[in-house]
This record gives sequence, C-alpha cells and structure tokens, in this order.
Amino acid sequence: DQQVKQNSPSLSVQEGRISILNCDYTNSMFDYFLWYKKYPAEGPTFLISISSIKDKNEDGRFTVFLNKSAKHLSLHIVPSQPGDSAVYFCAASAPGSGGSNYKLTFGKGTLLTVNP
Amino acid sequence: KAGVTQTPRYLIKTRGQQVTLSCSPISGHRSVSWYQQTPGQGLQFLFEYFSETQRNKGNFPGRFSGRQFSNSRSEMNVSTLELGDSALYLCASSTSPTGAEKLFFGSGTQLSVL
Repeated sequence: DQQVKQNSPSLSVQEGRISILNCDYTNSMFDYFLWYKKYPAEGPTFLISISSIKDKNEDGRFTVFLNKSAKHLSLHIVPSQPGDSAVYFCAASAPGSGGSNYKLTFGKGTLLTVNP
Repeated sequence: KAGVTQTPRYLIKTRGQQVTLSCSPISGHRSVSWYQQTPGQGLQFLFEYFSETQRNKGNFPGRFSGRQFSNSRSEMNVSTLELGDSALYLCASSTSPTGAEKLFFGSGTQLSVL
C-alpha cells in the first residue's frame, strides 16, 4: 500500500522554464510534507517543507503547494537550472508512536533533467 | 560541523551472511533513523532511535535490527542476508525529540548481496 505516490518517474525541462513535480498521498493523518533532492552517490538533502495548516510555502526558486482536499502537493522550480537535475523525493509524516514524527513515508522519486 | 557519517561506503556479502552498518550522527543530534532505498520501492523506513530507545519501526522482518549507543552513534544489523536485501542503506539524524523535522542524511552504505 503506497501512501505517497509520485506518478512521474522522470521529467525533462529546458533551462529557464518551470519544473512542476507532483505528489499524491492517501493517508489523511499526514500533517507535514517535505521535498528532498538526491544526487547520485549522495544522501537526500532537504529542500522545502509545508505544514498541513498552510497551502503554500516559498523559498527562493522553490515553491510547494498543498491541496489537502485533493491530497495532492506539487513542487515548482522557477527558473529551472541544469544544477537542479536530480531525483526529487516527496515525503510525508504523521504523528507516530512515542511522540516521534520521524517515520517519514517517501514516494519513489522523480528524476528531473534540466537541459541547457 | 561534520555531517552524518556512514561506514562502510560499499559492502559485498553473500546470501546467508550477516552484516553490520554504522552511522555517526551530526554532533548534538540525538535521533537517528534508518532507511532502505531500492530502485523498485524508493526509500522505506526501517527504524528510528532516540536516546538509545527504538521509538518507531517500519515493516521489515526481524532479520533487520538496530541499536543506538549513549553517544548517539547507531548500528543496524541484517542477519541471514537475502538477495533482495541489496540496497542503499541510508542513515539520517535530527535534533528535535518530537515533531516533524528535517532529517540530515548520510551518503549511505551500498550493500550488494551475491
């Protein structure tokens, strides 16, 4: 049962254009969402997050939108740069046992390629 | 400040063997989580430790175990290795004891089971 889904395994965009990465979730208990970026042979690095009480969070070229009713979030990168080429993981968390919220549920990732 | 350090970087084992992976969190981080990454399943949560106590566990068989030491360093062990255990094992550390928080990942240990 995949609770976080990234239905596009890959996405290719031109430098300077907008990249839109999508993520859907099924667990209504999720209350915090994160995006991670991963380069080959490295661990994922945190990019941006959003709480379920918000519908938008912006950080520089990166904006995450959350649509709770549709259980959908998206990551917008504007403008896209070749250095943004990486695998992007969507992740979600819900209150876990023992007061821990660290049991992140990840999607399978989307490989973004930004062409010069 | 040093990042999350995982050793070894690469490991080759044969079926039936056991393996121990090590993780040193960022100084001051008391929570350590472990994830398995495979091409087909993405990142899957294994377990999380805080102050030497396992607080959360994913849906993995009992062959997968872990522990955390008083200095927050953590180890995970996989016994009776199977071919399907071939994966990148990622360790992540964080500061807060509770609440959704950003994790800092190590570069992982690439385990190949032959």
